[in-house]
Amino acid sequence: DTGVSQDPRHKITKRGQNVTFRCDPISEHNRLYWYRQTLGQGPEFLTYFQNEAQLEKSRLLSDRFSAERPKGSFSTLEIQRTEQGDSAMYLCASRGEQAPYEQYFGPGTRLTVT
Amino acid sequence: KQEVTQIPAALSVPEGENLVLNCSFTDSAIYNLQWFRQDPGKGLTSLLLIQSSQREQTSGRLNASLDKSSGRSTLYIAASQPGDSATYLCAAHNYGQNFVFGPGTRLSVLP
Repeated sequence: DTGVSQDPRHKITKRGQNVTFRCDPISEHNRLYWYRQTLGQGPEFLTYFQNEAQLEKSRLLSDRFSAERPKGSFSTLEIQRTEQGDSAMYLCASRGEQAPYEQYFGPGTRLTVT
Repeated sequence: KQEVTQIPAALSVPEGENLVLNCSFTDSAIYNLQWFRQDPGKGLTSLLLIQSSQREQTSGRLNASLDKSSGRSTLYIAASQPGDSATYLCAAHNYGQNFVFGPGTRLSVLP
């Protein structure tokens, strides 16, 4: 297994456009997490899935954000009507159900909204 | 609500020095604590994970300790090298909650 992958690695978009990011977790991991990280800060939790069920969403996740994991495998994170404040690194992580519940991260998608 | 802080925010040391990075958390009912390394513009690489029942974990030149009663974890790096230059983040995982990250310590090891 090659680990967690994310696509695209970089995205530049104009304010008001919609963007979609994809995350492919480690194949045997049923938990998948999305985080947002701005410069100089640690990652902030956005949402997570157990299989295809979205179990928790942060208050950071406004109505313009939506995430899916339709078949319990890959996940997508969509941002509608992007704003300059959405510029950040979007990170995906996965973990299995067995202790010690170690998280494994992907390389991230860097979003720049102009 | 769990809060995680890291001190110092930045650290610069000459090559070969031993150093300690600190992580503090407010809610001691953690399940585990994980240390990560992040290179500029990259994702996070897991370094060490300490479960609540453990006091320390070691991997090569890295040693992480956990003191739940005081709400502290430390990451010890022995014989630092320029390749160790990166941001080091800790994340606390509480029962029934999600991982909460600290802001990181930016480490520069000078040759």
